[in-house]
Amino acid sequence: GQNIDQPTEMTATEGAIVQINCTYQTSGFNGLFWYQQHAGEAPTFLSYNVLDGLEEKGRFSSFLSRSKGYSYLLLKELQMKDSASYLCAIYSGAGSYQLTFGKGTKLSVIP
Amino acid sequence: DSGVTQTPKHLITATGQRVTLRCSPRSGDLSVYWYQQSLDQGLQFLIQYYNGEERAKGNILERFSAQQFPDLHSELNLSSLELGDSALYFCASSVGEGGGYEQYFGPGTRLTVT
Repeated sequence: GQNIDQPTEMTATEGAIVQINCTYQTSGFNGLFWYQQHAGEAPTFLSYNVLDGLEEKGRFSSFLSRSKGYSYLLLKELQMKDSASYLCAIYSGAGSYQLTFGKGTKLSVIP
Repeated sequence: DSGVTQTPKHLITATGQRVTLRCSPRSGDLSVYWYQQSLDQGLQFLIQYYNGEERAKGNILERFSAQQFPDLHSELNLSSLELGDSALYFCASSVGEGGGYEQYFGPGTRLTVT
C-alpha cells in the first residue's frame, strides 16, 4: 500500500519563502508530482521528480530524496495568488497506472 | 484552460437517482482519469481508461461505472445515489498510458445529492 503525509495547513507572509513537506511510504516508486489547486478549481501541474535532487522552475522548486521517502516544494517570493492547496502525488509504477494523492496542504499567504 | 472539458458544471439530484458525467480529453491525449474530491477525503482516484480500454481501478464503488468511447470522450455513471456521493468529480487526461505523465484536469462537476 501507499501512505502520503503532508501538513494540513500552513500560513506564510507575502514576499517570504515557504517549504511544504511530503513524506511517503510506498511499495514501489517511479516518481513524485506536485499539483496546485485553488479552492473550487482544478489541480494544475507544478513539478515531477523522478531522481534525487532539486529541480527549480521559476519561483517554485521541488526536492526529492528517494532513500528518505521525502519531498518538499519550495515557494519563493510569495504572492497572494499562491494561496492554494498543494497536493503531493506518488506514481508507484510497477504495473500500476494510477497516481495516489496526499490530502494536500492548504497554504494561506497573508500581507 | 487545460483543454479538458467536463459537463455539466453543477448537478443537483435526489437520493436513489442516476446521473452521467461527461468528459472530453485534450486533443491528442489517449488516457482519461476520473477522480472524486470531497472535503474530508482529498482527491481519490476512481478509474482510468487508455484508448478505450480500462487500465486501472481505484476506490470506485460498484454503483459507479465508466467507459471511454471511440472518439476518446468518457462518461462516468453514478447510480443509486447517496448523500455521501456529493462531491466534486474531476476528469483528467494525459498523453500516455502510465502514471508518469502530467495530467491535465478539467474544471470538474459539482454533484449535490439531496
